[in-house]
Formats: sequence, structure tokens, C-alpha cells
Amino acid sequence: DTEVTQTPKHLVMGMTNKKSLKCEQHMGHRAMYWYKQKAKKPPELMFVYSYEKLSINESVPSRFSPECPNSSLLNLHLHALQPEDSALYLCASSQLGSLDTQYFGPGTRLTVL
Amino acid sequence: EDQVTQSPEALRLQEGESSSLNCSYTVSGLRGLFWYRQDPGKGPEFLFTLYSAGEEKEKERLKATLTKKESFLHITAPKPEDSATYLCAVRGRKLIWGLGTSLAVNP
Repeated sequence: DTEVTQTPKHLVMGMTNKKSLKCEQHMGHRAMYWYKQKAKKPPELMFVYSYEKLSINESVPSRFSPECPNSSLLNLHLHALQPEDSALYLCASSQLGSLDTQYFGPGTRLTVL
Repeated sequence: EDQVTQSPEALRLQEGESSSLNCSYTVSGLRGLFWYRQDPGKGPEFLFTLYSAGEEKEKERLKATLTKKESFLHITAPKPEDSATYLCAVRGRKLIWGLGTSLAVNP
């Protein structure tokens, strides 16, 4: 089973709202990732968690706050976003840290009004 | 500087018309090349991982090959359901993504 699940599928929020994106995997993977993808562009790495610890933060603005409560769950907390943050947010996981194949979830389509 | 280039940018085929997509790369110390398929508004779906030159992998109508400079994704007798964007990613020091090839297969 190579399934990564993400909720919600769609999210519309105002610039003053606080919301969270959730990701879950049950493949025993010890690395989890958040990506942002704009239309007709490849995924852009935001954060990497290895063994539940934040290992990479690609200079993402603090209005995005990741959290890894356990080895199966990954959250992305959103606060005071801008319209340009509207995008497809993708979660991925991999077996052995960053060296192995990443498996992606279906994504959350975020619209910031 | 590590770089990944995919070509063509877009490709339109008739059903049954075989073709190849290219992913050329410049990376110091290749640690893996990955092919994904992505449908509009959905997450990338993993297809293949290749680690060393000469390696080949097949899945249904798709076959991926790897040399020291490039990878090809061969599509044999494509069907309309093969229409998607095909993404290549290469891991050197970091994972670098190509911009993708948008494939449309007409019935």
C-alpha cells in the first residue's frame, strides 16, 4: 500500500483566518514532506521531517508552520496567508529519509481570498 | 550547477502512436532519477526510480531507461487515459524537478 492521504481536498480561507492541512501515511515511512505547487510548475519543497524532527525548512515564511505529531501524521498550520499563497499543497513520504522514492498524496487545493 | 531539462514541453499523439519523452540532467553524483505522472489538480503518481546508467524499468505501456546524461520515458501504443503531465526529478545533493512534459493522446 503506497497511500498518502490529505485533508481537506479543498480549502478557501480569508487572509485573517487560521486553518490547518493534514496528512497521514501508514507505510512506516520515516520522512515526510510538504510541497507547494503552482499551475504548470513542478512541486516546490517547503519542509522535510526526518524521524519526526524538522530537518529542512526552505526559507518558508512563518505564516506556514509545520508540525509532526507522530511518525504517521504531518500538519501544516496556516495563518495570515496572502492571495499569492493560493496553490496545490502536497504532502509526500519516503522510506529512508531523503534518499528514497517519495510518494505523494492527492493534495489540498488552497484558495486565499 | 545541477539542472534538469525535460523535452518536449508538450506532445500530442494519436492513440496507438508510440513516442518518447526526454529528461536530460546535469548533476554531480546521481543518487536517483524519478518519473512521476500527474493529472490536473492531483498529486504526482510515482512511476519509476532509476539509479544507474543502463537500468531499465517497465510498467504496462511505459518503459523508462537511463544513461549518464539522460532518461527516456517510452510510451508504447498510448491510450487517451495516458494523457497527463509527466515529471522527471533527479537527486544529486538535492532533488531537482524538471518542468514536465504535457502529453495529450487523442482517440
